[in-house]
Amino acid sequence: DTEVTQTPKHLVMGMTNKKSLKCEQHMGHRAMYWYKQKAKKPPELMFVYSYEKLSINESVPSRFSPECPNSSLLNLHLHALQPEDSALYLCASSLGGTSGILYTQYFGPGTRLTVL
Amino acid sequence: AQSVTQLDSHVSVSEGTPVLLRCNYSSSYSPSLFWYVQHPNKGLQLLLKYTSAATLVKGINGFEAEFKKSETSFHLTKPSAHMSDAAEYFCVVSDLEGSQGNLIFGKGTKLSVKP
Repeated sequence: DTEVTQTPKHLVMGMTNKKSLKCEQHMGHRAMYWYKQKAKKPPELMFVYSYEKLSINESVPSRFSPECPNSSLLNLHLHALQPEDSALYLCASSLGGTSGILYTQYFGPGTRLTVL
Repeated sequence: AQSVTQLDSHVSVSEGTPVLLRCNYSSSYSPSLFWYVQHPNKGLQLLLKYTSAATLVKGINGFEAEFKKSETSFHLTKPSAHMSDAAEYFCVVSDLEGSQGNLIFGKGTKLSVKP
């Protein structure tokens, strides 16, 4: 089973709203990732959690706040977003480690976010 | 530094004809390479991966790719295209210089399949 689930599928929010995206996996993976993907572009890495600790933050604005409550869950809290933050937000997970097979990433279906 | 170049932004084939999506990579290390597919408004699905085992890698849905170190290529092929293959395809190399095996994506190739 290589399933990563994400909720909600679609989200529309105003610039003053607070919302959260949720990602879950039950594959025993210890690394989890958030990506942002704009139309017709490849995904861009935002955050990496390794063993429930934030290990990489790719200079993402503070209006995006990640959280990893346990090894199976990853959240992305959103506050005071801008219209240019509208995108597909993808979650991924991998076993974790430094050899090839251990960091094969499996992606969820994404959350389509629209900021009005 | 690692990088990956997808040589075609758009490939169009007729149903039943072969598919070739080209990818060249640059890496100082022995790379791990992946092909992912993304159907419209969907997430990324792993098609296949090369991690220094057999150079000819078979993936899902009849796709395969051959790792050619001398040509620094990892082209994706399929003998016979199906309408359901129409999608965006990303060639990806794993960033071995980082500690997390971060992925470096090509810009993508859009595959269109004509009836």
